Amino acid sequence: KAGVTQTPRYLIKTRGQQVTLSCSPISGHRSVSWYQQTPGQGLQFLFEYFSETQRNKGNFPGRFSGRQFSNSRSEMNVSTLELGDSALYLCASSSGSDEQFFGPGTRLTVL
Amino acid sequence: GEDVEQSLFLSVREGDSSVINCTYTDSSSTYLYWYKQEPGAGLQLLTYIFSNMDMKQDQRLTVLLNKKDKHLSLRIADTQTGDSAIYFCAEGDNNDMRFGAGTRLTVKP
Repeated sequence: KAGVTQTPRYLIKTRGQQVTLSCSPISGHRSVSWYQQTPGQGLQFLFEYFSETQRNKGNFPGRFSGRQFSNSRSEMNVSTLELGDSALYLCASSSGSDEQFFGPGTRLTVL
Repeated sequence: GEDVEQSLFLSVREGDSSVINCTYTDSSSTYLYWYKQEPGAGLQLLTYIFSNMDMKQDQRLTVLLNKKDKHLSLRIADTQTGDSAIYFCAEGDNNDMRFGAGTRLTVKP
């Protein structure tokens, strides 16, 4: 089985722009979670989608949004980028049980 | 304060045992996890333990849970250079998880 894939792997944007990141979960997994990892804040939960519905949400501003498609692929969007949004964004998929499988992440740099 | 706390650095010699400690605050979590992150890679689940267990052993890995003190530890026996990575402790249920800041393990030959 293929693992969780994320695209792109690296991205450079400037302040004020918006960005869309993509995550393809493991085949058969219906849950996709997004995390932000920064040196200062560590690993923080953004949101989780299950069967196209946002099921859980972390404490991030409305500039961070996401969606999930019927094939369980998920996208995360960040609008009006700020320097502090520079981070590694990790996606994790799950069948709905206790184990999550993480992708390699998308490293976003905001200049 | 943080929900999950870990020391940031640990350095051991190859062949020694490594013990990484973690404290957490949410006693209602059903599972506690240990993840490994190697440079440039995502997170890899190493092991997890149910909150009603005291210990779990998996080859070189031993997880100890003291639920009363909300203390979790990961012991790596016979640590190898390939074990050098950042280790994250996490608590939560299903897909709502809280992570520690990660402990950077350095293994010296």
